[in-house]
Amino acid sequence: LAKTTQPISMDSYEGQEVNITCSHNNIATNDYITWYQQFPSQGPRFIIQGYKTKVTNEVASLFIPADRKSSTLSLPRVSLSDTAVYYCLVGLLLFLIYNQGGKLIFGQGTELSVKP
Amino acid sequence: EADIYQTPRYLVIGTGKKITLECSQTMGHDKMYWYQQDPGMELHLIHYSYGVNSTEKGDLSSESTVSRIRTEHFPLTLESARPSHTSQYLCASSDKDGFSGNTIYFGEGSWLTVV
Repeated sequence: LAKTTQPISMDSYEGQEVNITCSHNNIATNDYITWYQQFPSQGPRFIIQGYKTKVTNEVASLFIPADRKSSTLSLPRVSLSDTAVYYCLVGLLLFLIYNQGGKLIFGQGTELSVKP
Repeated sequence: EADIYQTPRYLVIGTGKKITLECSQTMGHDKMYWYQQDPGMELHLIHYSYGVNSTEKGDLSSESTVSRIRTEHFPLTLESARPSHTSQYLCASSDKDGFSGNTIYFGEGSWLTVV
């Protein structure tokens, strides 16, 4: 499973765009990149997932360069409620035809603090 | 909204007691997971299952045990709780889409305190 490296913490102000970069140098061909958000005392929630180039949904954008050795989660115009821990995961989430399945390992995450 | 449920949400028990944390999902997912997370710390995988009658230990050694008799149910049991078991336990499930990345859904967690 590819190891990921993220900044431990980041600070921002309301209305700013926040970019959190994750390094995953040994990503495998079949690996997907997934980002989760976790508020205190709650389980992680899916934000966005991608394989290559750019993915955008109503919450965030995910930028993945051609070599896929890193990815950047972009949160547009953050608010106080975006204060949370953000986890970058890289791994094979597929249930493989030879039944190896897949498992997710969470790294330390990035603690984002949004200030007024 | 994901349909995965954990009970109890909060529990305080005495040392030596047996406790089972329940986890159920109504999405028909084959894969289920148990994670352990101390406050402010990272998640650690302690158990996972590929399907009925399949269970595997995760990356963090745990004295807990799990069972998977039904697809929707993945309970975690501590035979004799100790203060070192005090933590948050998160259950999760995911589907088995073979042609794209899939999403993992988490329950709200069970906070266990052993006194």
